[in-house]
Amino acid sequence: QLQLQESGPGLVKPSETLSLTCTVSGGSISSSSYYWGWIRQSPGKGLEWIGTIYYSGSTYYNPSLKSRVTTSVDTSKNQFSLKLSSVTVADTAVYYCARHDRCSGGGCAFYGMDVWGQGTTVTVSS
Amino acid sequence: QAVLTQPSSLSASPGASASLTCTLRSGINVGTYRIYWYQQKPGSPPQYLLRYKSDSDNQQGSGVPSRFSGSKDASANAGILLISGLQSEDEADYYCMIWHSSAWVFGGGTKLTVL
Repeated sequence: QLQLQESGPGLVKPSETLSLTCTVSGGSISSSSYYWGWIRQSPGKGLEWIGTIYYSGSTYYNPSLKSRVTTSVDTSKNQFSLKLSSVTVADTAVYYCARHDRCSGGGCAFYGMDVWGQGTTVTVSS
Repeated sequence: QAVLTQPSSLSASPGASASLTCTLRSGINVGTYRIYWYQQKPGSPPQYLLRYKSDSDNQQGSGVPSRFSGSKDASANAGILLISGLQSEDEADYYCMIWHSSAWVFGGGTKLTVL
């Protein structure tokens, strides 16, 4: 059974870079059938998609965050990562990693998230 | 105006059916979108329920009971999540999502109370 686990610092100072890693178990991150994404949830803004990466390195980013987001994949460790730069208190949230289905039913497409990690709380504060 | 609008709350009785709506902003045609639905309980991540575009383009999430189903109301420009035979365990927040303007966009969520 596929499982995703987020890890990283729970406290980040304003203006610094938030870095998180998602470890995938029970499946290969190199599968051509999936994408791997990041989503966050805060009381003020609800659920917000941050970005998604394919094992080959192709990326999709939320236009509202694109200038500050970088994602990467480490296939040797079966992990993918998120970096969000120049954080402010508004970036305080629960951060989730998730799998996107890529190929199902009649064909392949950029489908939505179907498996989520448990989430990790990140607080931005000095 | 938000891309996706959901009622903030809904109450229904055990055994009854609940229809949760996700209204797309004027000018965005529901017919062209896959609508995704998620259930979230306190302290847990969202759980994928299903996606629905049409009767021929839809998917039930793994292990999701068939009493959860999707549809659309074109006249209201809305996606609908129908939950039949409500159970106390269905009490949760429900979110819709679409791919719009190169981004995955979520609705604000509906808190479903089963009482």
